[in-house]
Amino acid sequence: KAGVTQTPRYLIKTRGQQVTLSCSPISGHRSVSWYQQTPGQGLQFLFEYFSETQRNKGNFPGRFSGRQFSNSRSEMNVSTLELGDSALYLCASGWGGIGVNEQFFGPGTRLTVL
Amino acid sequence: AQRVTQPEKLLSVFKGAPVELKCNYSYSGSPELFWYVQYSRQRLQLLLRHISRESIKGFTADLNKGETSFHLKKPFAQEEDSAMYYCALYNFNKFYFGSGTKLNVKP
Repeated sequence: KAGVTQTPRYLIKTRGQQVTLSCSPISGHRSVSWYQQTPGQGLQFLFEYFSETQRNKGNFPGRFSGRQFSNSRSEMNVSTLELGDSALYLCASGWGGIGVNEQFFGPGTRLTVL
Repeated sequence: AQRVTQPEKLLSVFKGAPVELKCNYSYSGSPELFWYVQYSRQRLQLLLRHISRESIKGFTADLNKGETSFHLKKPFAQEEDSAMYYCALYNFNKFYFGSGTKLNVKP
């Protein structure tokens, strides 16, 4: 079974630009979560989508948004990029049903904001 | 509010020595706790979950509700255990991760 894939793997942007990251979950998984990983803060939860609906949201500004398509693929968008947005963005997929769900992580997209 | 604390950013031990990675949490209900591991150049992956009460790669973790801790232990560390370890709490379809502890096992 193919794992979670994320594209692109690396991105370099400048301040003020916007960026869109993509995540394809494991086949059959309906939940997709996004995390920001930085050396100082560890993993911080951005949001979770389940069946095309945002089900959970972390404490990030409105510049961070996402969506999920009918095939469960998800995109994350960051507008008006700031230097502090430089991080590894991880996507994780899971079944999303009732109860505790193991999360399967993708390799991440490394975003550098100059 | 839920919070997961891993007080050590870096833990260095010698091969064969016992290792304990600390994790404390704040949560008012019955928590679901996990340990995730990230080896160099690999994806973050599940190591173990407390409800399974299993030992994975020689690691165990016991939930102590009185001390609100979920420390990860291994009696004899191996060089291949060197990695980044994250403790995580699950609540209502949301995972809360600690800031991680880098374990360095020296030969």
